[in-house]
Amino acid sequence: DTGVSQNPRHKITKRGQNVTFRCDPISEHNRLYWYRQTLGQGPEFLTYFQNEAQLEKSRLLSDRFSAERPKGSFSTLEIQRTEQGDSAMYLCASTPDPGGAKNIQYFGAGTRLSVL
Amino acid sequence: AQSVTQLDSHVSVSEGTPVLLRCNYSSSYSPSLFWYVQHPNKGLQLLLKYTSAATLVKGINGFEAEFKKSETSFHLTKPSAHMSDAAEYFCVVSYTGGGNKLTFGTGTQLKVEL
Repeated sequence: DTGVSQNPRHKITKRGQNVTFRCDPISEHNRLYWYRQTLGQGPEFLTYFQNEAQLEKSRLLSDRFSAERPKGSFSTLEIQRTEQGDSAMYLCASTPDPGGAKNIQYFGAGTRLSVL
Repeated sequence: AQSVTQLDSHVSVSEGTPVLLRCNYSSSYSPSLFWYVQHPNKGLQLLLKYTSAATLVKGINGFEAEFKKSETSFHLTKPSAHMSDAAEYFCVVSYTGGGNKLTFGTGTQLKVEL
């Protein structure tokens, strides 16, 4: 299967710990997006990359959050000093073309974070 | 600014009866509209998309949606529900100037009963 891959699928951590998630997009997809989905809500945009460049960050992304895509392939999302409010499903999506709202975003299965 | 409103948080139908999931959108620009489905423990899957071509859009698994600009609506329909259609459905809007990021509705949970 060559779809979007996210690891780990589940992460349980204690408040104050740091966590890192990884997303491997579909091969040769230029754009990579991160979204967050809390219980009972639709996903909300966090940030996106065009190749290795981070082009936009949502106001939802506090200073404790950082995302990278060092070689324009896989991406990591790190949360420092986790809080209980960070508990959510973190979704990654990729799309092949740099432009055009017509392009489909392909989603991974997500990483579910639980902060105790 | 862009947004979508899904008018029903839960919809329950009997197997074999029609499905209607309602969505209204707001966009300052010519939008692209999508419906995604989310099954438990699985990734979001695209059902269909509207991108200013035909206003009636056909998707996978017998779903279709009609873009009505005058009503700012993009309702999702299916003539006959199947048990496997039970899932959460999201109406989504996007536009090129916004980095193509997706703005999701709050979702409609579809329940299909025997």
